[in-house]
Amino acid sequence: EPEVTQTPSHQVTQMGQEVILRCVPISNHLYFYWYRQILGQKVEFLVSFYNNEISEKSEIFDDQFSVERPDGSNFTLKIRSTKLEDSAMYFCASSEQGRFGYTFGSGTRLTVV
Amino acid sequence: AQSVTQLDSQVPVFEEAPVELRCNYSSSVSVYLFWYVQYPNQGLQLLLKYLSGSTLVKGINGFEAEFNKSQTSFHLRKPSVHISDTAEYFCAVSDGGSQGNLIFGKGTKLSVKP
Repeated sequence: EPEVTQTPSHQVTQMGQEVILRCVPISNHLYFYWYRQILGQKVEFLVSFYNNEISEKSEIFDDQFSVERPDGSNFTLKIRSTKLEDSAMYFCASSEQGRFGYTFGSGTRLTVV
Repeated sequence: AQSVTQLDSQVPVFEEAPVELRCNYSSSVSVYLFWYVQYPNQGLQLLLKYLSGSTLVKGINGFEAEFNKSQTSFHLRKPSVHISDTAEYFCAVSDGGSQGNLIFGKGTKLSVKP
């Protein structure tokens, strides 16, 4: 069964450093997403991406965050200057048809120290 | 704005017993509803979804859910649970936009004891 692949599975970074989280969506999917889950809290929407541009973003997705689909297969989330409160599990997801549900990756646990 | 409420944060149950995990949503528009499961140290896996049609939806691993529009509920049920069903279960609603951005509940931790 096709999978969404995320790397790395775990990343530790120092506060103020830039991090890039990588995702390989399912190949025929057109909609891409990032969500995050702070430990013990609910899963929260960050951003959706379609047709090579951001289609929607949440209040969490401020100027420190950016997304890119650099080569037609990868989908990345960059945090420019990490803060302690960015520590969370970050999930990538992709969908063929958007609103009808999508497939999540297994997540990247980001720890900012 | 849409929201999802999962009334129980933890549900302990014995193996082979039935279980119901409750989910209520609020929305002023038509919704699409989902249940996801997260096993320890793993990602989110889709259990089942309601898009339209029959209000009783069957999913993987023997789970089913019933959409009740009048009660704005989408409770998840399984008639007989296994140890391997121990996981966290998330109810989610799609905001109805073409992107399908999901709004999640806080999750319910199901613990199945022998």
